[in-house]
Amino acid sequence: EAGVAQSPRYKIIEKRQSVAFWCNPISGHATLYWYQQILGQGPKLLIQFQNNGVVDDSQLPKDRFSAERLKGVDSTLKIQPAKLEDSAVYLCASTLSLTRTQYFGPGTRLTVL
Amino acid sequence: AQSVSQHNHHVILSEAASLELGCNYSYGGTVNLFWYVQYPGQHLQLLLKYFSGDPLVKGIKGFEAEFIKSKFSFNLRKPSVQWSDTAEYFCAVNFPHGSSNTGKLIFGQGTTLQVKP
Repeated sequence: EAGVAQSPRYKIIEKRQSVAFWCNPISGHATLYWYQQILGQGPKLLIQFQNNGVVDDSQLPKDRFSAERLKGVDSTLKIQPAKLEDSAVYLCASTLSLTRTQYFGPGTRLTVL
Repeated sequence: AQSVSQHNHHVILSEAASLELGCNYSYGGTVNLFWYVQYPGQHLQLLLKYFSGDPLVKGIKGFEAEFIKSKFSFNLRKPSVQWSDTAEYFCAVNFPHGSSNTGKLIFGQGTTLQVKP
């Protein structure tokens, strides 16, 4: 079974630039999560999708972050404009249902200079 | 606010030593509990989970965890660690509230385990 795919794996940008991350969940997984993991901390949920609808985006800084999952499969997370404090690993996870295990992708390590 | 805390940030052990990593959460209701591991250069992987039933849960690679409801704890244990257990370990909790359960995980800050050969 293929795992959760993410790209790119690494990205370096300057502050005020924009960046986008892509996630392809495990086939058949209806629920998709984006987490932000700052160095030395545990992952923190940014946004959750159920198929193509947003379930929880309460922790998403909506003035600069946006995410979509138009066809209920792939998802894109965008930051515009980036700030220094956005430097982190962005993790995508998916699950069959809310009560099942979340499977994580390798993450995208973002460095904002 | 619901929170998860891991008491040990960095643990150094010699091979064959016993391991116990602490995890406490802040909510008194029903919880689903997880331990994830991240080996160097790899992604987060599930070690074990507890939803209900026997509070002593066995996971992969000889790890186990015990849910103690009265102490709001879910400590991870392994009787004899190996060099290959060097990794970062995260405790995570899902706080279901009936129909409003979104499956959201709240993670502790992680514990870095270094096993010396």
